[in-house]
Amino acid sequence: GQQLNQSPQSMFIQEGEDVSMNCTSSSIFNTWLWYKQDPGEGPVLLIALYKAGELTSNGRLTAQFGITRKDSFLNISASIPSDVGIYFCAGRGNQGGKLIFGQGTELSVKP
Amino acid sequence: SAVISQKPSRDICQRGTSLTIQCQVDSQVTMMFWYRQQPGQSLTLIATANQGSEATYESGFVIDKFPISRPNLTFSTLTVSNMSPEDSSIYLCSVDSTDSGANVLTFGAGSRLTVL
Repeated sequence: GQQLNQSPQSMFIQEGEDVSMNCTSSSIFNTWLWYKQDPGEGPVLLIALYKAGELTSNGRLTAQFGITRKDSFLNISASIPSDVGIYFCAGRGNQGGKLIFGQGTELSVKP
Repeated sequence: SAVISQKPSRDICQRGTSLTIQCQVDSQVTMMFWYRQQPGQSLTLIATANQGSEATYESGFVIDKFPISRPNLTFSTLTVSNMSPEDSSIYLCSVDSTDSGANVLTFGAGSRLTVL
């Protein structure tokens, strides 16, 4: 079945640093989504990508849908303490298909 | 996007008991889903709650262990039956929402269950 590999598993960075995380798939996806989960909360959608090569920004966050349709990355610029949380990528192979989640990247930001 | 309310938000349960989690959405939705997130793990789909018919379960999940109700287009329940410590997880309700014309998932805050 479809699998997503998300890396890194965890990151410890200093406030102000930029962060990059990525996901790769064993098969082609038509949709890539990036979610953030704060402690005690459900995942919240950050960015949605629907087209190969698409580059989308949401404030300090930028995500790209890889040209091969098998990967995506998320960048966070100038990190701040409230960026702390777990970031999940998710992909879908077709419009009606099941959403597959990556293993998550746990981000810690030191003030 | 839809607003989802889940309760209980957390509970501590005894081994062998059952607990029902409720999910209420502020608008009518076609698709409702139940996910499990074990400690330190990613999200795993348990089942799709279908209105007017039986839920559709993913591989590894069965109706006897996780019975689901979907009486209308805004409400669903998930029961975790005969609980054991391995059932300690966050259980998340989610619905399909539309973002720029495509479907994305919106999640509730989750129900954190600890089984002793």
